[in-house]
Amino acid sequence: QVQLVQSGAEVRKPGSSVKVSCKVSGGTFRNFGISWLRQAPGQGLEWMGGILPLFGTTNFAQNFQDRLTITADEFTSTAYMEMRSLTSDDTAVYYCAKGVHPAAARPPLDVWGQGTMVAVSS
Amino acid sequence: EIVMTQSPATLSVSPGERATLSCRASQSVSSNLAWYQQKPGQAPRLLIYDASTRATGIPARFSGSGSGTEFTLTISSLQSEDFAVYYCQQFNDWPITFGQGTRLEIK
Repeated sequence: QVQLVQSGAEVRKPGSSVKVSCKVSGGTFRNFGISWLRQAPGQGLEWMGGILPLFGTTNFAQNFQDRLTITADEFTSTAYMEMRSLTSDDTAVYYCAKGVHPAAARPPLDVWGQGTMVAVSS
Repeated sequence: EIVMTQSPATLSVSPGERATLSCRASQSVSSNLAWYQQKPGQAPRLLIYDASTRATGIPARFSGSGSGTEFTLTISSLQSEDFAVYYCQQFNDWPITFGQGTRLEIK
């Protein structure tokens, strides 16, 4: 079955960047959308953006549009999320998740990565 | 953006009883709504999508209903493993948005 495995925890200073990876195994990488979401400590879920590797198209939540890059490498079946200009408010667990429907960039999301903790602190 | 509002914030129910969770959208999302369950320290799990379709492997005690702006998740007979936080999510329009969650706790 499809599995998503994310890279490990990160600690960053304010103003820096972070790049998180999400390796997909057990399925056809290019056919399904990958979303990135985050969850601040004790808070709810926030959708950040997504990519459909089949077409290379991306969509972003307006809050992140200026400092978020989402890419996909079909050769390694890995999606990436890079966020710039980090502040302490970006401290959260970051998740990647796969869409249910082929060739659709949007949710619903049926397979999730294990989450990557990103802590931003001076 | 579409605002999703869940109620109640916390629901206390005894094992074996029925739980009903609500989700309201600020504008119509048609049937483009999903429900997720999240337990502490775990990633969310998809329960229901397209408002009423159970995801693969989800027990029949979970059911979803509604369309437009009003949606309901019903758990017919609560098991111990069902006590968790539940989120609704609309995917009708960008940006994708979630409700703030309903915590289902043991009474």
